[in-house]
Amino acid sequence: AQKVTQAQTEISVVEKEDVTLDCVYETRDTTYYLFWYKQPPSGELVFLIRRNSFDEQNEISGRYSWNFQKSTSSFNFTITASQVVDSAVYFCALSEEGTGNQFYFGTGTSLTVIP
Amino acid sequence: GAGVSQSPSNKVTEKGKDVELRCDPISGHTALYWYRQSLGQGLEFLIYFQGNSAPDKSGLPSDRFSAERTGGSVSTLTIQRTQQEDSAVYLCASSRLTGAGPSQPQHFGDGTRLSIL
Repeated sequence: AQKVTQAQTEISVVEKEDVTLDCVYETRDTTYYLFWYKQPPSGELVFLIRRNSFDEQNEISGRYSWNFQKSTSSFNFTITASQVVDSAVYFCALSEEGTGNQFYFGTGTSLTVIP
Repeated sequence: GAGVSQSPSNKVTEKGKDVELRCDPISGHTALYWYRQSLGQGLEFLIYFQGNSAPDKSGLPSDRFSAERTGGSVSTLTIQRTQQEDSAVYLCASSRLTGAGPSQPQHFGDGTRLSIL
């Protein structure tokens, strides 16, 4: 079974629109960590954020915000007022205390922001 | 400081040849990971190193794939008798290991784009 599901394969939005990228995870561990990465067309994956399972406080960083809800096993990512530079593939990932240092990545969501 | 360095950045080779991909992690990062990313696909986990040992080799697709790490630093991924389905971008990542479990983010290199003719 897929531990991290990103159901949205591709999303297109017009510049300045808000967009939410969904991430649903599956784990039996009580201690785990969730991550978001951005992969721009240039190819290199860039780390965006990490949350641990004990901290459900939502986080905002500029135009980026993350909504972590344990009740629905989701860790969604919202970009406000999207810009063309936000066009990239975004990956959600999970790591669990119980499985050593293995990381599980979702299949990614390709976001295209149209000018 | 320097990030994760991978070489070569591109490799084109004929089917049946052996290839060796290199990863130089961030200094001080004990954990090292290899992934494969096919065109338009997500990341496929291959192998993970903790220091020089590989606790998890479960992702290696076949016995044609092997990896080693020496001195707790540089790692090489070797693919023997390459097949066309091996064509992909091979990504390396490293992270610190702390007492807090797998909590540290991975830092990725630019990848090696491997094309098998």
